[in-house]
Amino acid sequence: DTGVSQDPRHKITKRGQNVTFRCDPISEHNRLYWYRQTLGQGPEFLTYFQNEAQLEKSRLLSDRFSAERPKGSFSTLEIQRTEQGDSAMYLCASSFVDRGSYEQYFGPGTRLTVT
Amino acid sequence: AQSVAQPEDQVNVAEGNPLTVKCTYSVSGNPYLFWYVQYPNRGLQFLLKYITGDNLVKGSYGFEAEFNKSQTSFHLKKPSALVSDSALYFCAVETGTASKLTFGTGTRLQVTL
Repeated sequence: DTGVSQDPRHKITKRGQNVTFRCDPISEHNRLYWYRQTLGQGPEFLTYFQNEAQLEKSRLLSDRFSAERPKGSFSTLEIQRTEQGDSAMYLCASSFVDRGSYEQYFGPGTRLTVT
Repeated sequence: AQSVAQPEDQVNVAEGNPLTVKCTYSVSGNPYLFWYVQYPNRGLQFLLKYITGDNLVKGSYGFEAEFNKSQTSFHLKKPSALVSDSALYFCAVETGTASKLTFGTGTRLQVTL
């Protein structure tokens, strides 16, 4: 399978704990995006990378959130001191911008439940 | 700021009938428009896009969409609906910088026999 993969698929944590999610993009893709989706809503942009450089962060990405993409390959999204409002589906996507194709390909998501 | 509106929470259609899922957008500059479909417990799947050129674009699974600049719309269409088309459909826009997508709230399509 050469699609975008995310791990874990589900995470249940207690309020106040830290969690980390991983995303592996399609191998030749140079851009990687994180989105958050809550029930009944469309995905909301969080941040994106061009190779290893983080180019934009949404205001939704509070100081408790941090994302990295070391070596321009996989990416991690960490949430510190989780709150119940962090419960959502976290989606990762990738694209190869230089081809001018623009469409983003999404992974299956990580569903976070904060109790 | 860019935005997308999907005015219908749900669209119901009988199998074999044509379907339309509506989308309007607001963006500064030329819009890059996309449709995605989401099945239960699965990620978003890309259906089709409009970047430039012909206003009618064709995509996966027999879907097509018509770009209308004067009405700022990008409605998704299919001539003959299938029960297997039942899913959640999202319209999205970006400005051609390959940066963030802005999504609508989604429209649930229900196709019945």
